[in-house]
Amino acid sequence: EVQLLESGGGLVQPGGSLRLSCAASGFTFSIYSMNWVRQAPGTGLEWVSYISSSSSTIYYADSVKGRFTISRDNAKNSLYLQMNSLRAEDTAVYYCARDITRSYGMDVWGQGTTVTVSS
Amino acid sequence: QSALTQPASVSGSPGQSITISCTGTSSDVGGYNYVSWYQQHPGKAPKLMIYDVSNRPSGVSNRFSGSKSANTASLTISGLQAEDEADYYCSSYTSSTTPYVFGTGTKVTVL
Repeated sequence: EVQLLESGGGLVQPGGSLRLSCAASGFTFSIYSMNWVRQAPGTGLEWVSYISSSSSTIYYADSVKGRFTISRDNAKNSLYLQMNSLRAEDTAVYYCARDITRSYGMDVWGQGTTVTVSS
Repeated sequence: QSALTQPASVSGSPGQSITISCTGTSSDVGGYNYVSWYQQHPGKAPKLMIYDVSNRPSGVSNRFSGSKSANTASLTISGLQAEDEADYYCSSYTSSTTPYVFGTGTKVTVL
């Protein structure tokens, strides 16, 4: 079964750091580009970051640029999001999502992990 | 990059058809055939319903269809069913500095 499983969320103080992980299974992780998408409470989806299959291409939303770092370990079938200098507005459910092959869109999503930034 | 514009809510009776619009610009929706649609039930992860404007992934009901005209994409749900009640988001590839932009989201209510 194709599956993505996020972990690493939790409660952190403003200015703190957190590292999210996404474990992939049931497919050849190394050939797919991946994304992080977040959803603040009661709001819509916000794309956060993209990484190509070989990590050669990386993009960030302006709202997290300079604070978040996306990375992957294809040998471990894992995707990561290092989040530094966290703000209250980063509070959200964070989803990892697989990019569609040879197109644009996200065809497999994890169940999400919740990040709460509060003092 | 501004979010794509969707109506906040759309409703219909069981068996009816409804259409959700998604309006962008020539830099996203109008410039590429890379519009996708996602269904999200409360507390659940989004699910891909349509990609490349009008393609359905395997397993998605053919009651869901997509189209595009100029800078506006549309998702049509025909034969509306109670299980279709959910939030729906469009997304598009964009030529800006980031590859993706999402829509504002539409809550579909089955009356």
